[in-house]
Amino acid sequence: EVQLVESGGGLVQPGRSLRLSCAASGFTFDGYGMHWVRQAPGKGLEWVSGISWNSGNIDYADSVQGRFTISRDNAKNSLYLQMNSLRPDDTALYYCAKDKRSGIAAAGFDYWGQGTLVTVSS
Amino acid sequence: DIQMTPSPSSVSASVGDRVTITCRASQSISTYINWYQQKPGRAPKLLIYAASALQGGVPSRFSASGSGTNFTLTISSLQPEDFATYYCQQSYISPWTFGQGTRVEIK
Repeated sequence: EVQLVESGGGLVQPGRSLRLSCAASGFTFDGYGMHWVRQAPGKGLEWVSGISWNSGNIDYADSVQGRFTISRDNAKNSLYLQMNSLRPDDTALYYCAKDKRSGIAAAGFDYWGQGTLVTVSS
Repeated sequence: DIQMTPSPSSVSASVGDRVTITCRASQSISTYINWYQQKPGRAPKLLIYAASALQGGVPSRFSASGSGTNFTLTISSLQPEDFATYYCQQSYISPWTFGQGTRVEIK
């Protein structure tokens, strides 16, 4: 059974940093691209960042470019999102999602975690 | 960025109804579109990928079609568990953008 379990969310002040983690199991982690998708309270879905199976391709939404860094450790079956210079509009539930393919072409996010809530507020 | 515009933003329907949701892309995306279902408090679930391919385990009452800029998702006979919000998402070019969602409500 595929499982994605996010952690690392919490309340943080504007300008501070936070690191999210996603532990994957139940599939060959190093065979697939992975993504972070967020959802602000009561709002729709926003793709944040994606990373290919071997970290060779990485991409970000303009809204987080230069502030967030995605990475993965295939030996640990884990995905990460380092979030720096956080802003109130980064407040959202952050989902880890598996791509149907090895790249980051967002061929379909076929498995999702339950999400970890990030709240940016003073 | 490619804008994905759903229509309607919400629809009220009864169990057994046929429901059709549309999504329009701001430019041609060929068949690079995926559809998701999200229930309150739950993560999204992939229903359809590549415009018309049914994701494994998804009931056959869900179907989708379209190419270019106009796409539809159809539920042939609405079931109680189908009341949810449905999102389209383009996978043609980054950033991978979602529509704002169509909420399917009980009539």
